[in-house]
Amino acid sequence: KAGVTQTPRYLIKTRGQQVTLSCSPISGHRSVSWYQQTPGQGLQFLFEYFSETQRNKGNFPGRFSGRQFSNSRSEMNVSTLELGDSALYLCASSRAGGLETQYFGPGTRLLVL
Amino acid sequence: DQQVKQNSPSLSVQEGRISILNCDYTNSMFDYFLWYKKYPAEGPTFLISISSIKDKNEDGRFTVFLNKSAKHLSLHIVPSQPGDSAVYFCAAKNDYKLSFGAGTTVTVRA
Repeated sequence: KAGVTQTPRYLIKTRGQQVTLSCSPISGHRSVSWYQQTPGQGLQFLFEYFSETQRNKGNFPGRFSGRQFSNSRSEMNVSTLELGDSALYLCASSRAGGLETQYFGPGTRLLVL
Repeated sequence: DQQVKQNSPSLSVQEGRISILNCDYTNSMFDYFLWYKKYPAEGPTFLISISSIKDKNEDGRFTVFLNKSAKHLSLHIVPSQPGDSAVYFCAAKNDYKLSFGAGTTVTVRA
Protein backbone atom coordinates (compact mmCIF):
# COMPACT_ATOMS: atom_id res chain seq x y z
CA LYS A 1 0.00 0.00 0.00
CA ALA A 2 1.45 3.38 -0.98
CA GLY A 3 2.30 5.77 1.83
CA VAL A 4 1.44 9.40 2.30
CA THR A 5 2.79 11.54 -0.52
CA GLN A 6 3.48 15.25 -0.47
CA THR A 7 4.27 17.59 -3.32
CA PRO A 8 6.40 19.46 -3.94
CA ARG A 9 9.26 18.20 -1.80
CA TYR A 10 11.14 21.47 -1.88
CA LEU A 11 10.02 25.01 -2.50
CA ILE A 12 11.65 28.44 -2.47
CA LYS A 13 9.48 31.54 -2.26
CA THR A 14 9.98 35.19 -1.42
CA ARG A 15 8.28 37.23 1.27
CA GLY A 16 4.77 38.30 0.42
CA GLN A 17 4.12 35.45 -1.97
CA GLN A 18 1.68 32.66 -1.35
CA VAL A 19 2.20 28.92 -1.56
CA THR A 20 0.06 25.80 -1.90
CA LEU A 21 1.21 22.41 -0.66
CA SER A 22 -0.45 19.13 -1.52
CA CYS A 23 -0.92 15.90 0.40
CA SER A 24 -2.31 12.56 -0.76
CA PRO A 25 -3.19 10.27 2.14
CA ILE A 26 -2.89 6.52 2.30
CA SER A 27 -5.69 4.86 0.39
CA GLY A 28 -8.71 4.44 2.66
CA HIS A 29 -7.59 7.13 5.08
CA ARG A 30 -10.05 9.97 5.44
CA SER A 31 -8.35 12.08 8.10
CA VAL A 32 -5.51 14.38 7.10
CA SER A 33 -3.54 16.54 9.52
CA TRP A 34 -0.90 19.16 8.84
CA TYR A 35 2.09 20.04 11.00
CA GLN A 36 4.86 22.60 10.86
CA GLN A 37 8.31 21.63 12.02
CA THR A 38 10.90 24.27 12.83
CA PRO A 39 14.17 23.87 14.73
CA GLY A 40 13.03 26.09 17.56
CA GLN A 41 9.40 25.01 17.91
CA GLY A 42 9.44 21.33 17.06
CA LEU A 43 6.30 19.86 15.47
CA GLN A 44 3.30 22.15 15.73
CA PHE A 45 -0.23 21.12 14.79
CA LEU A 46 -1.83 23.26 12.09
CA PHE A 47 -5.21 21.67 11.36
CA GLU A 48 -7.02 18.40 10.73
CA TYR A 49 -9.57 17.54 8.05
CA PHE A 50 -12.04 14.71 7.81
CA SER A 51 -14.59 14.26 5.05
CA GLU A 52 -13.81 17.70 3.64
CA THR A 53 -14.46 19.39 7.00
CA GLN A 54 -11.93 21.03 9.27
CA ARG A 55 -12.38 19.40 12.68
CA ASN A 56 -9.56 20.94 14.64
CA LYS A 57 -7.21 23.86 14.31
CA GLY A 58 -3.95 24.80 15.98
CA ASN A 59 -2.75 28.24 17.02
CA PHE A 60 -1.64 29.63 13.70
CA PRO A 61 -2.68 32.91 12.05
CA GLY A 62 -5.36 33.04 9.38
CA ARG A 63 -2.68 33.20 6.68
CA PHE A 64 -2.54 29.42 7.07
CA SER A 65 -5.52 27.67 5.56
CA GLY A 66 -6.37 24.31 4.14
CA ARG A 67 -8.98 22.24 2.47
CA GLN A 68 -9.79 18.64 1.70
CA PHE A 69 -11.28 17.19 -1.42
CA SER A 70 -13.81 14.40 -1.84
CA ASN A 71 -10.99 11.93 -2.58
CA SER A 72 -9.40 12.87 0.80
CA ARG A 73 -6.48 14.67 -0.80
CA SER A 74 -5.67 17.84 1.05
CA GLU A 75 -4.02 21.14 0.27
CA MET A 76 -2.52 23.70 2.58
CA ASN A 77 -2.14 27.34 1.62
CA VAL A 78 0.00 30.00 3.19
CA SER A 79 -0.58 33.56 2.04
CA THR A 80 1.64 36.63 2.47
CA LEU A 81 4.67 34.53 3.31
CA GLU A 82 7.02 35.65 6.07
CA LEU A 83 10.61 34.61 6.69
CA GLY A 84 9.46 32.74 9.79
CA ASP A 85 7.28 30.46 7.67
CA SER A 86 10.42 28.67 6.49
CA ALA A 87 9.94 25.15 7.82
CA LEU A 88 9.27 21.54 7.01
CA TYR A 89 5.53 21.05 6.50
CA LEU A 90 4.34 17.56 7.27
CA CYS A 91 1.10 15.88 6.41
CA ALA A 92 -0.21 12.83 8.24
CA SER A 93 -3.17 10.57 7.55
CA SER A 94 -5.25 8.05 9.45
CA ARG A 95 -8.49 6.20 8.81
CA ALA A 96 -10.75 8.35 10.94
CA GLY A 97 -8.47 10.43 13.10
CA GLY A 98 -9.55 9.02 16.42
CA LEU A 99 -7.54 6.79 18.75
CA GLU A 100 -5.33 5.49 16.02
CA THR A 101 -1.94 6.00 14.51
CA GLN A 102 -1.19 8.81 12.11
CA TYR A 103 1.22 8.06 9.30
CA PHE A 104 3.40 10.86 8.02
CA GLY A 105 4.53 11.85 4.57
CA PRO A 106 8.10 12.95 3.81
CA GLY A 107 7.24 16.63 4.11
CA THR A 108 7.64 19.73 1.99
CA ARG A 109 10.64 21.88 2.80
CA LEU A 110 9.69 25.55 2.32
CA LEU A 111 12.30 28.26 2.27
CA VAL A 112 11.14 31.88 2.31
CA LEU A 113 13.71 34.45 1.21
CA ASP B 1 2.02 26.07 26.08
CA GLN B 2 4.08 22.89 25.81
CA GLN B 3 1.78 20.09 26.93
CA VAL B 4 4.23 17.34 26.05
CA LYS B 5 7.80 17.61 27.22
CA GLN B 6 10.91 15.64 26.48
CA ASN B 7 13.43 17.07 28.88
CA SER B 8 16.47 15.26 27.50
CA PRO B 9 17.47 16.75 24.14
CA SER B 10 20.03 14.03 23.53
CA LEU B 11 21.00 10.54 24.61
CA SER B 12 24.14 8.58 23.82
CA VAL B 13 24.14 4.81 24.34
CA GLN B 14 26.45 1.96 23.50
CA GLU B 15 25.34 -0.61 20.94
CA GLY B 16 23.65 -3.54 22.61
CA ARG B 17 22.66 -1.60 25.72
CA ILE B 18 19.24 -0.26 26.65
CA SER B 19 18.03 3.18 25.52
CA ILE B 20 15.44 4.81 27.77
CA LEU B 21 13.62 7.88 26.50
CA ASN B 22 11.31 9.84 28.76
CA CYS B 23 8.31 12.02 28.16
CA ASP B 24 6.05 14.01 30.50
CA TYR B 25 2.68 15.52 29.76
CA THR B 26 0.37 17.93 31.49
CA ASN B 27 -3.03 17.42 29.85
CA SER B 28 -5.01 14.68 31.59
CA MET B 29 -7.36 14.55 28.59
CA PHE B 30 -4.75 12.85 26.42
CA ASP B 31 -6.01 9.36 25.65
CA TYR B 32 -3.50 7.94 23.20
CA PHE B 33 0.27 8.17 23.15
CA LEU B 34 2.72 7.47 20.38
CA TRP B 35 6.44 7.41 19.71
CA TYR B 36 7.85 8.41 16.37
CA LYS B 37 11.35 8.15 14.98
CA LYS B 38 12.64 10.74 12.55
CA TYR B 39 15.64 10.95 10.27
CA PRO B 40 16.73 14.31 8.81
CA ALA B 41 14.67 15.52 5.84
CA GLU B 42 12.13 12.72 6.30
CA GLY B 43 8.72 12.55 7.90
CA PRO B 44 8.36 10.89 11.30
CA THR B 45 7.97 7.12 11.23
CA PHE B 46 5.55 5.52 13.65
CA LEU B 47 7.22 3.22 16.18
CA ILE B 48 4.81 2.20 18.89
CA SER B 49 1.70 3.46 20.65
CA ILE B 50 -0.23 2.93 23.85
CA SER B 51 -3.78 3.67 24.87
CA SER B 52 -4.40 5.47 28.14
CA ILE B 53 -6.18 2.37 29.50
CA LYS B 54 -2.96 0.36 29.38
CA ASP B 55 0.34 0.71 31.19
CA LYS B 56 2.62 -1.24 28.88
CA ASN B 57 2.88 -2.14 25.23
CA GLU B 58 5.63 -4.15 23.66
CA ASP B 59 6.66 -4.61 20.03
CA GLY B 60 9.92 -6.40 19.38
CA ARG B 61 12.78 -4.36 20.74
CA PHE B 62 10.49 -1.45 21.66
CA THR B 63 8.44 -1.19 24.84
CA VAL B 64 6.41 1.80 25.94
CA PHE B 65 5.40 2.30 29.56
CA LEU B 66 2.67 4.66 30.69
CA ASN B 67 2.26 5.97 34.23
CA LYS B 68 -0.96 7.97 34.19
CA SER B 69 -0.76 9.09 37.79
CA ALA B 70 2.64 10.63 37.12
CA LYS B 71 1.67 11.76 33.62
CA HIS B 72 4.81 10.10 32.37
CA LEU B 73 5.68 7.70 29.61
CA SER B 74 8.90 6.12 28.52
CA LEU B 75 10.25 4.21 25.57
CA HIS B 76 12.73 1.39 26.08
CA ILE B 77 14.80 0.11 23.18
CA VAL B 78 16.59 -3.16 23.87
CA PRO B 79 19.12 -3.86 22.51
CA SER B 80 20.10 -0.58 20.90
CA GLN B 81 21.41 -0.82 17.36
CA PRO B 82 23.31 1.68 15.19
CA GLY B 83 20.23 2.10 12.96
CA ASP B 84 18.35 3.40 15.98
CA SER B 85 20.33 6.64 15.82
CA ALA B 86 17.66 9.25 15.06
CA VAL B 87 15.42 11.83 16.70
CA TYR B 88 12.60 10.33 18.75
CA PHE B 89 9.39 12.23 19.32
CA CYS B 90 6.81 11.52 21.94
CA ALA B 91 3.27 12.50 20.95
CA ALA B 92 -0.05 12.60 22.77
CA LYS B 93 -3.49 12.74 21.28
CA ASN B 94 -6.87 14.15 22.16
CA ASP B 95 -9.67 15.59 20.11
CA TYR B 96 -8.10 14.54 16.78
CA LYS B 97 -4.97 16.56 17.51
CA LEU B 98 -1.45 15.33 18.14
CA SER B 99 0.81 17.30 20.45
CA PHE B 100 4.51 16.58 20.14
CA GLY B 101 7.47 16.85 22.43
CA ALA B 102 10.60 18.63 21.23
CA GLY B 103 12.37 15.35 20.51
CA THR B 104 15.36 13.45 21.85
CA THR B 105 18.33 12.78 19.60
CA VAL B 106 19.62 9.27 20.18
CA THR B 107 23.13 8.32 19.17
CA VAL B 108 24.09 4.67 19.34
CA ARG B 109 27.86 4.20 19.66
CA ALA B 110 29.54 1.12 18.22
